[in-house]
Amino acid sequence: QVQLQQSGPGLVKPSQTLSLTCDISGDRVSSNSAAWNWIRQSPSRGLEWLGRTYYRSKWYIDYAESVKSRITINPDTSKNQLSLQLSSVTPEDTAVYYCVRASSAWYDYWGQGTLVTVSS
Amino acid sequence: DIQMTQSPSSLSASVGDRVTITCRASQSISIHLNWYQQKPGKAPKLLIYAASTLQGGVPSRFSGSGSGTDFTLTISSLQPEDFATYYCQQRYSIPDTFGQGTKLEIK
Repeated sequence: QVQLQQSGPGLVKPSQTLSLTCDISGDRVSSNSAAWNWIRQSPSRGLEWLGRTYYRSKWYIDYAESVKSRITINPDTSKNQLSLQLSSVTPEDTAVYYCVRASSAWYDYWGQGTLVTVSS
Repeated sequence: DIQMTQSPSSLSASVGDRVTITCRASQSISIHLNWYQQKPGKAPKLLIYAASTLQGGVPSRFSGSGSGTDFTLTISSLQPEDFATYYCQQRYSIPDTFGQGTKLEIK
């Protein structure tokens, strides 16, 4: 059974960097058949895909254009973790952030979600 | 980006009712369409993938159909635990995009 356990601060100040970690169990971040995603959800923007990483003989990373200049997603194979960093945050980045596994073309396992509020 | 539009945005129904939710894509996405159920305070849960394939463990009262631009999610006989918000999602091209959601409420 795949489990995704998220951790990270729930409050970030404007202009600072949001950092979240996702501990993966039951699968490998370096799996050849999965992709590891960050998705956020807010009342104003709905469900919004932010980016993903996956390993197919080498690492690939894709980011949404809306956050491309501010986002970094990193896999850590030694800890079997996925991380998210989003820099220069504003109140518009306030959302519930999810770590999500994609098996083929659908999202089958989700983390518990982390509410991140951007406020001074 | 491919836009996904769900209708209705909200729906009131009774236990035992048959309900249908529609999702329309702004361009053809073949069958690269997935459906999720979300309850308050919880992460979305995969119900149907590739337009019509039921995820393991999902009751058979849920079904999906469609291809190209028009898709439907049908619940054949509503149960109390089905009252939730439903989302469609396309995986035809990056960025993956979601519909705005359909909130299913008890009448």
